[in-house]
Amino acid sequence: DSGVTQTPKHLITATGQRVTLRCSPRSGDLSVYWYQQSLDQGLQFLIQYYNGEERAKGNILERFSAQQFPDLHSELNLSSLELGDSALYFCASSPGDTSYEQYFGPGTRLTVT
Amino acid sequence: ELKVEQNPLFLSMQEGKNYTIYCNYSTTSDRLYWYRQDPGKSLESLFVLLSNGAVKQEGRLMASLDTKARLSTLHITAAVHDLSATYFCAVDPNSGNQFYFGTGTSLTVIP
Repeated sequence: DSGVTQTPKHLITATGQRVTLRCSPRSGDLSVYWYQQSLDQGLQFLIQYYNGEERAKGNILERFSAQQFPDLHSELNLSSLELGDSALYFCASSPGDTSYEQYFGPGTRLTVT
Repeated sequence: ELKVEQNPLFLSMQEGKNYTIYCNYSTTSDRLYWYRQDPGKSLESLFVLLSNGAVKQEGRLMASLDTKARLSTLHITAAVHDLSATYFCAVDPNSGNQFYFGTGTSLTVIP
């Protein structure tokens, strides 16, 4: 158990809908990272937040957005969902603003039908 | 475009044998990470390599980093069934704060 929690574990929704994935980092960690894992695109970095502020951005679609709240939990919002958004979404946390040794949560499996 | 390539993509090996997984990357980076992922599970950190020439060992696994060649290796010694998993390398470019993962190597150790 890495200490990173994610909810929900599974999510099934229809195309065009909007969902919110939640992540709580390890106690004391200030950075949260979001990743998407799919069969065709592999593991892709989406975005990083550090202490409430966006720190780095990867291959995140405009339909996706994220934020980190004062209590350091983070939410990833996915809107206008498409079939291709079906994937495993991981969040990870680390103590500082650099990405040394990230600790991954169990993931949320999103299925878009 | 930054590339992180692993080979082989699939590896089937017998128990007791040795093998090496290679991770090549196309950017300047002093930082490379190895992760393990079991089917349907999350990623578990194996090694953090933070400088040229870094070598780390844990049990039957040993990882090394050559930043000049932009190459990292994960060496498996005397494989056992419990090592069956997918192994990923990830690079953190010097120019930014992003993680780029390799394609993964699916390892199956056959008794």
